[in-house]
Amino acid sequence: EIVLTQSPGTLSLSPGEGATLSCRASQSVSSNYLAWYQQKPGQAPRLLIYGASSRATGIPDRFSGSGSGTDFTLTISRLEPEDFAVYYCQQYGSSHWTFGQGTKVEIK
Amino acid sequence: QVQLVESGGGVVQPGGSLRLSCVASGFTFSNYAMHWVRQAPGKGLEWVAFIRYDGTDKHYEESVKGRFTNSRDNSRNTLYLEMNSLRAEDTAVYYCARGYGGYTDQYYYYYMDVWGKGTTVTVSS
Repeated sequence: EIVLTQSPGTLSLSPGEGATLSCRASQSVSSNYLAWYQQKPGQAPRLLIYGASSRATGIPDRFSGSGSGTDFTLTISRLEPEDFAVYYCQQYGSSHWTFGQGTKVEIK
Repeated sequence: QVQLVESGGGVVQPGGSLRLSCVASGFTFSNYAMHWVRQAPGKGLEWVAFIRYDGTDKHYEESVKGRFTNSRDNSRNTLYLEMNSLRAEDTAVYYCARGYGGYTDQYYYYYMDVWGKGTTVTVSS
């Protein structure tokens, strides 16, 4: 099983600032099959990024993903009020899907 | 529009059973693999089960193997999760999610592109 470790656990930032979220895998992720999801309180997760760097339909371009192998990053260029949420990475290249524990982006 | 609606959650005693349903609309259900994902109160996301578009292959998270059964009825656009021998640690919101991606000879690579709103399962005496 591939274990995903996200850091930091919590990011305290102000609207307009940039955010960098990290996701590290315990072994190489096949073909960079790494996705990022956003979840707000009381809501279902929403797909942001798939294939490590491809934005899902309707996702603003302030969200970008990068990385390969075992190290991946989600970058939010300028935080909007609606971006404060929990973000999860997920690997989907092993027929045993796993999520990271999440990074909470909160208003400073 | 594309939509998934879960139902069937509730309160059940330890050792009991429950069947969750997920009805799909707005897309050709029979063309897509599907997942179940759960979230315990205050915790992160945990993948639970996967089923191929035609129901011929299924995968489960280790802790639910032998207790949970994933199935689908493509004529009814419905996904099911039969849960038996329920434990307190199965308490969670259960989401169904559409799988998008593909497969090789060795593995599937389906991420979750559409999610339902979830149904709550509470296992308690």
